Amino acid sequence: GAGVSQSPRYKVAKRGQDVALRCDPISGHVSLFWYQQALGQGPEFLTYFQNEAQLDKSGLPSDRFFAERPEGSVSTLKIQRTQQEDSAVYLCASSLAYRSYGYTFGSGTRLTVV
Amino acid sequence: DAKTTQPPSMDCAEGRAANLPCNHSTISGNEYVYWYRQIHSQGPQYIIHGLKNNETNEMASLIITEDRKSSTLILPHATLRDTAVYYCIVRVENYGQNFVFGPGTRLSVLP
Repeated sequence: GAGVSQSPRYKVAKRGQDVALRCDPISGHVSLFWYQQALGQGPEFLTYFQNEAQLDKSGLPSDRFFAERPEGSVSTLKIQRTQQEDSAVYLCASSLAYRSYGYTFGSGTRLTVV
Repeated sequence: DAKTTQPPSMDCAEGRAANLPCNHSTISGNEYVYWYRQIHSQGPQYIIHGLKNNETNEMASLIITEDRKSSTLILPHATLRDTAVYYCIVRVENYGQNFVFGPGTRLSVLP
């Protein structure tokens, strides 16, 4: 597609429920990032993939957060046993490998944990 | 933590130039200055970036001081659609390097 697609656009989860957020990057983009954005704040880095390899997961806040990109294209961010503090917008960004400034962000998934 | 400081908010009249300042006094020699903006309910959008020379594209101009400790993003003729949060980020140009976003400047373009 023309842009980075994220689904669902909105997700309401009950506390303790597991959720899976999907990111479809631009076709051919090697680099893929996940960010978390709390209300009124800038995005915060979660994890980075180069193709299928997860090269940096230092931003994941707890072991309840897990991300994968098994075939080097679509990525899924999974949150287990959701807590209220997980409520945020989750953003995905992708880029061609050697065009470092050209990160394209998706519109995000807004997760609300009730 | 973000390595930049920006005013939390600014207003600009429609049709006038919007000048958004950014301080990055601890910038390293190999770090670029990037600007992104985020319109409500959308993901951040790349605007421009530069190392030490001034840069211009179809969206904006970037003026970097000679000592590289500060910069200004200029939107030459602001429109209502430019209302957004603007983020100034310093970063090594490496495709594996994440962006560290601060709180940014909320620009309101007023009719």
